[in-house]
Amino acid sequence: AQSVTQPDIHITVSEGASLELRCNYSYGATPYLFWYVQSPGQGLQLLLKYFSGDTLVQGIKGFEAEFKRSQSSFNLRKPSVHWSDAAEYFCAVLTESSASKIIFGSGTRLSIRP
Amino acid sequence: EAGVVQSPRYKIIEKKQPVAFWCNPISGHNTLYWYRQNLGQGPELLIRYENEEAVDDSQLPKDRFSAERLKGVDSTLKIQPAELGDSAVYLCASSLVGSGETQYFGPGTRLLVL
Repeated sequence: AQSVTQPDIHITVSEGASLELRCNYSYGATPYLFWYVQSPGQGLQLLLKYFSGDTLVQGIKGFEAEFKRSQSSFNLRKPSVHWSDAAEYFCAVLTESSASKIIFGSGTRLSIRP
Repeated sequence: EAGVVQSPRYKIIEKKQPVAFWCNPISGHNTLYWYRQNLGQGPELLIRYENEEAVDDSQLPKDRFSAERLKGVDSTLKIQPAELGDSAVYLCASSLVGSGETQYFGPGTRLLVL
């Protein structure tokens, strides 16, 4: 069965430091991959998505993610975080075999240290 | 352009009572999704509509949950009767074509069942 794993439940980084949030997926073929961000009391906002082509994907708010087929990973990165980046981040996978259903990971909560 | 609108934003009810949530998708979006997000988890799909047809309701607990999208625009999700375990955030999302297209999320309805 398709699945998404976000191994880090909670991460704290200092403002201005770099960030990497991990995401691993389980699926035989090439999946469609997404990163969403959810601020407290808000819905999910799409940061970026990968469907095909260049494996390094640029998103909004200075985020990027790299698809690595050999590692079944789609890690999210940002070179310098801002206090406003504190939120919950969800990795998701869309697979045709799951009737076009998006499966979300359990999320990583990001805290920013002043 | 207005985003996905949901109401109410918060609802507190006693167990065994009925409750309904309303969603108005982005204008022109033919696909509408209802998700449930438990505390500390990612969203899980309950039902997906393409226009007025429910094309995936495999995860909808049909003994107590029902949904409708009569005119292919706005939608209502109902729980009757509610149970303690139904406490969660109910998210609505919409997209233009369906699978593979970006889903835009509403702010959600936070339900507390006492």
